[in-house]
Amino acid sequence: AQRVTQPEKLLSVFKGAPVELKCNYSYSGSPELFWYVQYSRQRLQLLLRHISRESIKGFTADLNKGETSFHLKKPFAQEEDSAMYYCALSRGSNYQLIWGAGTKLIIKP
Amino acid sequence: KAGVTQTPRYLIKTRGQQVTLSCSPISGHRSVSWYQQTPGQGLQFLFEYFSETQRNKGNFPGRFSGRQFSNSRSEMNVSTLELGDSALYLCASSLGGAITGELFFGEGSRLTVL
Repeated sequence: AQRVTQPEKLLSVFKGAPVELKCNYSYSGSPELFWYVQYSRQRLQLLLRHISRESIKGFTADLNKGETSFHLKKPFAQEEDSAMYYCALSRGSNYQLIWGAGTKLIIKP
Repeated sequence: KAGVTQTPRYLIKTRGQQVTLSCSPISGHRSVSWYQQTPGQGLQFLFEYFSETQRNKGNFPGRFSGRQFSNSRSEMNVSTLELGDSALYLCASSLGGAITGELFFGEGSRLTVL
């Protein structure tokens, strides 16, 4: 069955430290993967998608098909990165996204 | 370009009542999805409508229903409310079709069931 796993419900790191939010997926086809972010009192919004291979707000994520992972990384965390992060998988435009449970990231000053 | 608009933003109901939530997607978007968000369960997919047809459905009981109108606006209805239905209900729109995965979310309707 298709599944997205975010093993950490809560991740707390100090400002300036590296951040890695883990995302593992289970899917037999060619996945399209996304990271969505929800800042406090803001809408859930797309952060980045693997197909675009870009860095947004200093975050990057690389699709590792061998390890079936799509971890989100940032070398130096900032306080404004504190938010809820969701990893999601798309199987195609006719199907709904499959979502991970989310990781709450807290950046301590 | 106006974003996804959800109404009402907040509402309080009692057990056994019913509720209707509304979602106006971004102009030109034909797909509307509904999600239930709770601290314990995260994001749970309810259903998706595309061009007035339900295209996908999550694992929610029949008390949860929805529809989409010809102008792509969507409504969801929850009948016979239970305490566990208290949640933030999110609507998201997308172009559908060739562009996959990028959903544009509304601010949500926060439902409290007493």
